Formats: sequence, C-alpha cells, structure tokens
Amino acid sequence: GAVVSQHPSWVICKSGTSVKIECRSLDFQATTMFWYRQFPKQSLMLMATSNEGSKATYEQGVEKDKFLINHASLTLSTLTVTSAHPEDSSFYICSARGRGLYEQYFGPGTRLTVT
Amino acid sequence: GQQLNQSPQSMFIQEGEDVSMNCTSSSIFNTWLWYKQEPGEGPVLLIALYKAGELTSNGRLTAQFGITRKDSFLNISASIPSDVGIYFCAGQAQGGSEKLVFGKGTKLTVNP
Repeated sequence: GAVVSQHPSWVICKSGTSVKIECRSLDFQATTMFWYRQFPKQSLMLMATSNEGSKATYEQGVEKDKFLINHASLTLSTLTVTSAHPEDSSFYICSARGRGLYEQYFGPGTRLTVT
Repeated sequence: GQQLNQSPQSMFIQEGEDVSMNCTSSSIFNTWLWYKQEPGEGPVLLIALYKAGELTSNGRLTAQFGITRKDSFLNISASIPSDVGIYFCAGQAQGGSEKLVFGKGTKLTVNP
C-alpha cells in the first residue's frame, strides 16, 4: 500500500514554456501533498504544502506565481512550472500523507530539463 | 530554522559489515522517519518512529527514537550490495506542523 505516482518521469522543455507535473496517490486518500525540489547531491527542499481543496502554502523564497500548485482531489495534485527557465531544471518530487497519518510517501520524481 | 545534523556524510564498507548512522537535532521531534533514496528515484520509507525510546526493526534495519526526542539512529546489519543508496532521516517537530525536516543524507557504498 501507500503508492504515489508521478507523471511524467522526465520532461525536456524550451525556455519560456510551461510544464505540468502530476502527483497521484494510487491506493489511499492524500489529505496533504507536498512538493519538493532536489538538486544533485543535496537533500530535499520543501517548496510547498497543499491540502485538498485549499490553496497551497509556499515556503519562503518559492515564487507561487511561478510554481502553481493545485490539489483538486484527494488523489491528485499538480505542479505547473510557468515560463520555465534553465535554472528551473531540477528533480521535482511529490509526497503524500493520508488523514491522521504522520508518514509521507514519495513519488518517483520528475526530472525537468529546460533548454 | 530547524536543522537536523546527519552523520556520517558518507560510508564505504565491505559487504557483510554492519552500518550505523544517526541524526541529531537542537529541538524536539514528535516523529522520526528514515528513508532510502536510490539514484533517479524518490525516497522510500524504511522505518517510522513515533515514541521516545521506541526501537523498531524492518528486516536487517533497526532504528531508534532517542529518549531526549532530539536524536535517532539507523543500523543496518550484514550489509549487501543492494543497500547502496542515500539514507535520509526526517523529523516532524512538535506543534502540529505537517512539514518534515530532512537531514542531509548519508551516502552508503557497499563493496562486494
């Protein structure tokens, strides 16, 4: 149980375009989803926390107009990187947490490359 | 902000050896989680700890939640080549915040 999927697993886009990444909890209802960014050889950096049906809470320094997060249902959250630039290239990972639980279960990650 | 100090940063061991890594914090945590991440993948939950003093095993892995609530360790016994990866500790602080604070990871290399 507790499986989280992400789509796509990797994406290459041109500078100035937007990219949407999906995160789904496959076998449980995720009341809270989290989006992280990870640079090579570094730990995970939390970008934002989203609760189903509510606006996401962004961490300090994360531009909410650039990284649009939607948590429309208990099994789906999306991250849209708008007007992507090469510096947005990174490994983006989502995680999900079920109601009343403390554990976060992570998706497999999405490698974004902006050219 | 809260920080977790995870050590060692990296380990190079021979197959069959035991491994120990730990995390310490300057503040109290309600929950400690240990994850393993392999290249190009998301972290996979290994062990979750909820109470001070709790000792939990998952196969060859054993983790403990420190009595002071400010530290945790993870032991791996009889390491095998597939144990290779980066191990992260993560803590959830008191106060009800849903956020996890992550350590910087311990990179484990196992020589066959």
